[in-house]
Amino acid sequence: DSGVTQTPKHLITATGQRVTLRCSPRSGDLSVYWYQQSLDQGLQFLIQYYNGEERAKGNILERFSAQQFPDLHSELNLSSLELGDSALYFCASSGTDPSTDTQYFGPGTRLTVL
Amino acid sequence: AQSVTQLDSHVSVSEGTPVLLRCNYSSSYSPSLFWYVQHPNKGLQLLLKYTSAATLVKGINGFEAEFKKSETSFHLTKPSAHMSDAAEYFCVVSLSRSQGNLIFGKGTKLSVKP
Repeated sequence: DSGVTQTPKHLITATGQRVTLRCSPRSGDLSVYWYQQSLDQGLQFLIQYYNGEERAKGNILERFSAQQFPDLHSELNLSSLELGDSALYFCASSGTDPSTDTQYFGPGTRLTVL
Repeated sequence: AQSVTQLDSHVSVSEGTPVLLRCNYSSSYSPSLFWYVQHPNKGLQLLLKYTSAATLVKGINGFEAEFKKSETSFHLTKPSAHMSDAAEYFCVVSLSRSQGNLIFGKGTKLSVKP
């Protein structure tokens, strides 16, 4: 158990809908990262937050957005969902120095878009 | 730009024989390198991490990896495979000095035959 929690574990929805994925980092970690794992693209970095502020952006679509709240939990919002958004979404957290601290991954949320 | 190449998409070994999973990296500076493991329907677990200290890094479950700058390699090895080692393994490089976002290789699926 990494100490990072993600909810829900599974999510099934329809095209065009909007969903919210939630992540709680390990106690004391300030950085939260979101990754997408799909069969065709592999594991890709989406976005990073550090202590409530966006720190870095990767291959995140404009239909997707995220935020980190004062209690350091983070939410990833996916809107206007398409079939291709079906994937496993991971959240990871790390400590006060993102450049050196290890990232610990949550169990993931499996999103299925029908 | 940072990148990582896992040379084999699938490796099959017999239980009790050595494991070698190959990884080459490209980085414009001295990188942080990681190996993560993903068991079926599970999250990502850190096996080991290299951050410019000792070039031979020991990880969990008997795995180790050697950083070879001249060969830009970071191969993962284990002297004797166990059935429980069957999983997908990801070689990972840190994207930049100031940010922790990770770039993942495409993964190597390890099968262990009895």
